[in-house]
Amino acid sequence: DAGITQSPRHKVTETGTPVTLRCHQTENHRYMYWYRQDPGHGLRLIHYSYGVKDTDKGEVSDGYSVSRSKTEDFLLTLESATSSQTSVYFCATRQGAQGEQFFGPGTRLTVL
Amino acid sequence: GIQVEQSPPDLILQEGANSTLRCNFSDSVNNLQWFHQNPWGQLINLFYIPSGTKQNGRLSATTVATERYSLLYISSSQTTDSGVYFCAVYSNDYKLSFGAGTTVTVRA
Repeated sequence: DAGITQSPRHKVTETGTPVTLRCHQTENHRYMYWYRQDPGHGLRLIHYSYGVKDTDKGEVSDGYSVSRSKTEDFLLTLESATSSQTSVYFCATRQGAQGEQFFGPGTRLTVL
Repeated sequence: GIQVEQSPPDLILQEGANSTLRCNFSDSVNNLQWFHQNPWGQLINLFYIPSGTKQNGRLSATTVATERYSLLYISSSQTTDSGVYFCAVYSNDYKLSFGAGTTVTVRA
C-alpha cells in the first residue's frame, strides 16, 4: 500500500482535553483524508486535503480541525475531546483525483 | 450525498462455499472500490472497478454503473476471508461514500 503510518495507534484521554492524531505518508500522494469508523456507520469522512495548506470539510467535521503543512503529513485535531468522539480514526491517501485510496492502520481513540 | 446500500448485512459460510455480496448506490458515480477489513481492523484494497469485471484469485467483482450496482464474488471461501467487506463509491467531487458493510464469517 501507500506507506501510511498513523500515530498514536491507541490513545485514552479525558473529556475536554485537546488531542492531535498524525498521519504520515511516504508516497508523495496529493490527496489525504481522515475518516472515523463507528459500529453501524461504516466509514465517514471528517476532513480531506487536496494539497499543502488546502483542506475541506467532510460529512462529520464538527469538533475537528486539520492541518497540512507538508505533503507527507496530515494532522487531525480535536480541540476539546468529547465522549462522542470515541472512535477508530483512519487516514487515507490518493495519488490524484482519479485512482484508488489506500488506508493507514487506524488509531483507536477513547474519550472518558 | 450518494447512498450506498450493501446486502446482506451478515453472511455465515462453511469453508469451501461460494457467495455473492451486493452493493447498490443511489446516483451515478465516478468509480467504486471494494475493501476487506480483516479481524485486526486493517482495510485492504480488493478492487478499484468503475465498470466491467475484474478477478483476483478467488475473488472477482462486477460493476454495472448504468444500473447502479456492483457485486463481489467469493469462491471456495477460506477462514481467512472472514471480516467485513465494504463497498465505497466516488461521487463527482472525488470523495468516497461507504456502505455499512457485509460481515462475513467463514467456519472451518
